[in-house]
Amino acid sequence: EAGVTQFPSHSVIEKGQTVTLRCDPISGHDNLYWYRRVMGKEIKFLLHFVKESKQDESGMPNNRFLAERTGGTYSTLKVQPAELEDSGVYFCASSPLLGLGDTEAFFGQGTRLTVV
Amino acid sequence: SQKIEQNSEALNIQEGKTATLTCNYTNYSPAYLQWYRQDPGRGPVFLLLIRENEKEKRKERLKVTFDTTLKQSLFHITASQPADSATYLCALDSGNQGGKLIFGQGTELSVKP
Repeated sequence: EAGVTQFPSHSVIEKGQTVTLRCDPISGHDNLYWYRRVMGKEIKFLLHFVKESKQDESGMPNNRFLAERTGGTYSTLKVQPAELEDSGVYFCASSPLLGLGDTEAFFGQGTRLTVV
Repeated sequence: SQKIEQNSEALNIQEGKTATLTCNYTNYSPAYLQWYRQDPGRGPVFLLLIRENEKEKRKERLKVTFDTTLKQSLFHITASQPADSATYLCALDSGNQGGKLIFGQGTELSVKP
């Protein structure tokens, strides 16, 4: 069974440009999460989809970040325009929709974004 | 605000010894706590989950304890091996029942042969 896959694995862009990150969750997982780790800090929650609906987007830094999950399958996270402080590793995770959410989350390998 | 602290220093131990990692939290009461392993360039990998009404959980060489009075979890790896070298992350549920996790900074463990 394929795990969570993220694309690209690395992206280097200039300040002001647009970047779109993609996440393919494990098939059948209704929960999809985006997290981010910036240099020297802990992994922080960005947002949570249940199927195609945004359940919680309290961690999104600002309106330069836009996440979508059309059809409840893969998700994209677009940063437009990118700023230097957006650099970091973006992780996607998925889990099945069960009970109170206390199930393990399956993480992708991450996308390392560098804004120069 | 909710805060999680893990061993701030890297942990270096000899092969065969028991590694003990600490996770302390403040300002809330999680329903469950999870431990993940992360290797360089990879995403976190789930190891164990322990609920607030459980004191201890084991899986092979791993043991987790959860003390809701002390607001602390201890993560033990017995008979450690060089292959156990990695960063270990403590993650707590946010309380919104949606599976959103709050992570500690992680503890880097190095097991020397």
